[in-house]
Amino acid sequence: GQQLNQSPQSMFIQEGEDVSMNCTSSSIFNTWLWYKQDPGEGPVLLIALYKAGELTSNGRLTAQFGITRKDSFLNISASIPSDVGIYFCAGQLIPGGTSYGKLTFGQGTILTVHP
Amino acid sequence: DAGVIQSPRHEVTEMGQEVTLRCKPISGHDYLFWYRQTMMRGLELLIYFNNNVPIDDSGMPEDRFSAKMPNASFSTLKIQPSEPRDSAVYFCASSLMGTDTQYFGPGTRLTVL
Repeated sequence: GQQLNQSPQSMFIQEGEDVSMNCTSSSIFNTWLWYKQDPGEGPVLLIALYKAGELTSNGRLTAQFGITRKDSFLNISASIPSDVGIYFCAGQLIPGGTSYGKLTFGQGTILTVHP
Repeated sequence: DAGVIQSPRHEVTEMGQEVTLRCKPISGHDYLFWYRQTMMRGLELLIYFNNNVPIDDSGMPEDRFSAKMPNASFSTLKIQPSEPRDSAVYFCASSLMGTDTQYFGPGTRLTVL
């Protein structure tokens, strides 16, 4: 089945630093999503990407949909302590068939920000 | 507007007992998903429904697991009998056809002793 390789697995950074994480896939996706999970909560959507090459920002977050449709990255600029959490990438296959609506998730990147 | 609602938030039970997890999706959403999250395996999709009909249950680990969606506003995930290896956080998520984005509930933390 489809797999997403997300890296790095964990990051320890100082407040104010920039962060970058990425996901690669063996399959082509038509949608890439980035979620953040706070301790004890469910994942919350941060950014959604729908077109190859698309670059989207949400405040200090920037994400890009790779032109090959097999990868995506997420950058966080000027990190703050509340950025701590687990970040997941997720991809959805080309619409059609029984896989429509189904997301494949990466393993997650655990981010720790030291004040 | 209320998000996805799950109950209970925490469940502790003994091996062999039946466990029922509940989910109320966001009103109007026509997709509902059940996930399991563990440290070892991350987020795994167990089953998902479209318009109350199960579409893909290939992620359900074994016959001890079953899920139902009797109407558009309610779904259950049942484990019978439960085993210690079922201990995990179970998430329900819902989405609207054509929007692709899934909205997650707060999860149910299940501990099977």
